[in-house]
Amino acid sequence: AQSVTQLDSQVPVFEEAPVELRCNYSSSVSVYLFWYVQYPNQGLQLLLKYLSGSTLVKGINGFEAEFNKSQTSFHLRKPSVHISDTAEYFCAVSFLYNFNKFYFGSGTKLNVKP
Amino acid sequence: KAGVTQTPRYLIKTRGQQVTLSCSPISGHRSVSWYQQTPGQGLQFLFEYFSETQRNKGNFPGRFSGRQFSNSRSEMNVSTLELGDSALYLCASSPQLGRTNTGELFFGEGSRLTVL
Repeated sequence: AQSVTQLDSQVPVFEEAPVELRCNYSSSVSVYLFWYVQYPNQGLQLLLKYLSGSTLVKGINGFEAEFNKSQTSFHLRKPSVHISDTAEYFCAVSFLYNFNKFYFGSGTKLNVKP
Repeated sequence: KAGVTQTPRYLIKTRGQQVTLSCSPISGHRSVSWYQQTPGQGLQFLFEYFSETQRNKGNFPGRFSGRQFSNSRSEMNVSTLELGDSALYLCASSPQLGRTNTGELFFGEGSRLTVL
């Protein structure tokens, strides 16, 4: 069975501080990994994705994530956050030949304080 | 290019009624997926359509159904509404070709359903 765990439901952080949002997954087969962001009253927007190749993936808005196969993790990082990064972040996995069935984590609400 | 469009954005129904939600994918995208988002259960996969065929279905009761038209537009229907069906219903399209996962879903802003 596949599952995605986001260990932190909420992460408060001050503006310009670094942040890491944690994501672990469980799967017996190779996965594709994604981070999506959701702003209030909006749909989800892709931040970055790992399909293959380099395990360090850079995305939009200065975010990056590193795929660690041995630890089955895909943590999201940003060296310096802004107020505008306040949103909910979702980690997701999918699989080759899976007809776009994504499994999402429960989400992490990032609250950036001035 | 226009994004994924969902209508209506907000709607209120009463228990026992039915509802139909509509989704227009990005032009050229043939895969359309539906997800239910609630505070308690998070994002849960409902079903996915490709070329008018349902290829995958999540663990939802038969009251939840969908279809896709030849122009790739999709609708989902929920019959005999229950209070627990209150949720944000998100549609996502993908440029996936054939069986290979191209790796990205493009989401609409959702239809927020409130069941009273």
